Amino acid sequence: EAGVAQSPRYKIIEKRQSVAFWCNPISGHATLYWYQQILGQGPKLLIQFQNNGVVDDSQLPKDRFSAERLKGVDSTLKIQPAKLEDSAVYLCASSPGRSHNSPLHFGNGTRLTVT
Amino acid sequence: AQSVTQLDSQVPVFEEAPVELRCNYSSSVSVYLFWYVQYPNQGLQLLLKYLSGSTLVESINGFEAEFNKSQTSFHLRKPSVHISDTAEYFCAVRAGNNDMRFGAGTRLTVKP
Repeated sequence: EAGVAQSPRYKIIEKRQSVAFWCNPISGHATLYWYQQILGQGPKLLIQFQNNGVVDDSQLPKDRFSAERLKGVDSTLKIQPAKLEDSAVYLCASSPGRSHNSPLHFGNGTRLTVT
Repeated sequence: AQSVTQLDSQVPVFEEAPVELRCNYSSSVSVYLFWYVQYPNQGLQLLLKYLSGSTLVESINGFEAEFNKSQTSFHLRKPSVHISDTAEYFCAVRAGNNDMRFGAGTRLTVKP
């Protein structure tokens, strides 16, 4: 099966600019996650979707971050305006359902550098 | 909420030596435990998981981890490492209705 696809792989922007990341999960996976991985740290959940609905966005900085999954398949994550501390790898993951014993399948991530 | 502590940020070992990567968790409810591996410029890949049953779980490439409830640990071990095992390893825990929480990672470097 095809894995989780993310684009772009790398992005460099200046602070206060906007940026968007795209994710296409594994076919049939109802649950989609966006994680932020800052250098030297483990991934931190930003938002979780179940189909096209938000399950958990408690750790999403909503003043600058937004995400959508309109048709319940692919998803976009946007940052506007970006800050220096947003420099990180943004990982998308998917799983077949919300069951807590389901492992996550990760994409290769988008490395964002904010200068 | 649950949390995960990986006790070593870096572990250098020589090829064919044994290795143990330590992971401790905290949770007030039953947990599911995972180890993920991340190679440079790639996403995380599931290495092994403990859901229930036997406390010793194994991966296809020779790693194993043992769930120890009394010590709240899930250490990862391999009796003989290869150069290709060089990567970042993340321990993760899921409990109750909470999201998956990851440790800070352990960078394993295997030297010839």
